[in-house]
Amino acid sequence: HLEQSGAEVKKPGESLKISCQGSGYRFTAKWIAWVRQKPGKGLEWMGIIYPGDSDTRYSPSFQGQVTISADKSTTTAYLQWSRLEASDSAVYYCATVDTSLIRGFEYWGQGTLVTVTS
Amino acid sequence: SFVLTQSPSVSVAPGGTATITCGGTHLGSKTVHWYQQKAGQAPVQVIQYDSDRPSGIPERFSGSSFGYTATLTINRVEVGDEADYFCQVWDSSSDHVWVFGGGTKLTVL
Repeated sequence: HLEQSGAEVKKPGESLKISCQGSGYRFTAKWIAWVRQKPGKGLEWMGIIYPGDSDTRYSPSFQGQVTISADKSTTTAYLQWSRLEASDSAVYYCATVDTSLIRGFEYWGQGTLVTVTS
Repeated sequence: SFVLTQSPSVSVAPGGTATITCGGTHLGSKTVHWYQQKAGQAPVQVIQYDSDRPSGIPERFSGSSFGYTATLTINRVEVGDEADYFCQVWDSSSDHVWVFGGGTKLTVL
């Protein structure tokens, strides 16, 4: 089970960190991916982290724009921005991925709505 | 970068068969996954590894992949199947990226 943090309303230029807490499985044995979905649009893979050793990979489209991290002690993964833009307004999902990366995104969190508006 | 192409929409009557396709160069060399997203909800994986159904997914859902096209088939379509369906692959040949198709809206008439 993945429980995501609640909706956020931020101003452009502000920083933000949203979370995704895993439970009911060995947190360090599965990857966690982050996916963006803008209103009325499709799914975009942002990046992925393996909490076991913090191996992190980013989509070229999001490299340098966000930071993904994980805390094994709290079984929580994070997605953060240092300076938000209006174009970051979207729903963000986390999802588990099997260790071998061959079975896709197995279980999804409920999503976190981020609204960036002045 | 790798691109997956899906038709924007498919319509089917209840009880009928829905066929949703996903195209991409060299798709046959990659494993394809499918996700169902109902309005206002998070996606749910309905097919993994081309044709495997995750636990809890009805047998009415099946997947196949051959050549440049992967197919999600939904038999005996129900009103509750109305949703957006997305295909996905892991492009291990280029930056190890995950790629989603643009999605297909299934309307049950």
